[in-house]
Amino acid sequence: DAGVIQSPRHEVTEMGQEVTLRCKPISGHDYLFWYRQTMMRGLELLIYFNNNVPIDDSGMPEDRFSAKMPNASFSTLKIQPSEPRDSAVYFCASGHATGTAQPQHFGDGTRLSIL
Amino acid sequence: DAKTTQPPSMDCAEGRAANLPCNHSTISGNEYVYWYRQIHSQGPQYIIHGLKNNETNEMASLIITEDRKSSTLILPHATLRDTAVYYCIVRVEGRDDKIIFGKGTRLHILP
Repeated sequence: DAGVIQSPRHEVTEMGQEVTLRCKPISGHDYLFWYRQTMMRGLELLIYFNNNVPIDDSGMPEDRFSAKMPNASFSTLKIQPSEPRDSAVYFCASGHATGTAQPQHFGDGTRLSIL
Repeated sequence: DAKTTQPPSMDCAEGRAANLPCNHSTISGNEYVYWYRQIHSQGPQYIIHGLKNNETNEMASLIITEDRKSSTLILPHATLRDTAVYYCIVRVEGRDDKIIFGKGTRLHILP
């Protein structure tokens, strides 16, 4: 089975540019999560969706960050305008419904560098 | 804040069993204990989870104390490929399915 697919794997861009990260969750999973990982702050949950609806975006750092899930098989995380402090590895994960204690499955991440 | 406490790092000789401890003294009755690991430059990988009973799968065993305040992840025959950061996680109480990652334990497998 295909796992969680993220693209691009690497992104290097100049500050001020718009960045769009993409995620395809595992088919049949109804939860989707976006995380950010840095050396200083570790692995942080940014936002998550249930059945394509955003449930908790309290981890989104500021208004420059936005996430959408237009359908069950696709999600985007957008940063506009980007800043050097946004440089990090961004992970997407998907999982089944709460109550079944199912684990989350992670993609390989997008390594983002803002110059 | 993470609801678990783990040692920051551990060493284990290759071929020996690696025993990774985790304290979760405030765990609630319906919260599960999960273990994930993150190998360098990869996304976190699910290992195992449990509620009360000990669990075993092809990757590891999970031993949960009777009072559920602590647990141990056991990698029975550690290899160099098991070098990673291991996260012990208690799923947040409530209907949400958030996972809050702490700092984990950096496991070094020594040849």
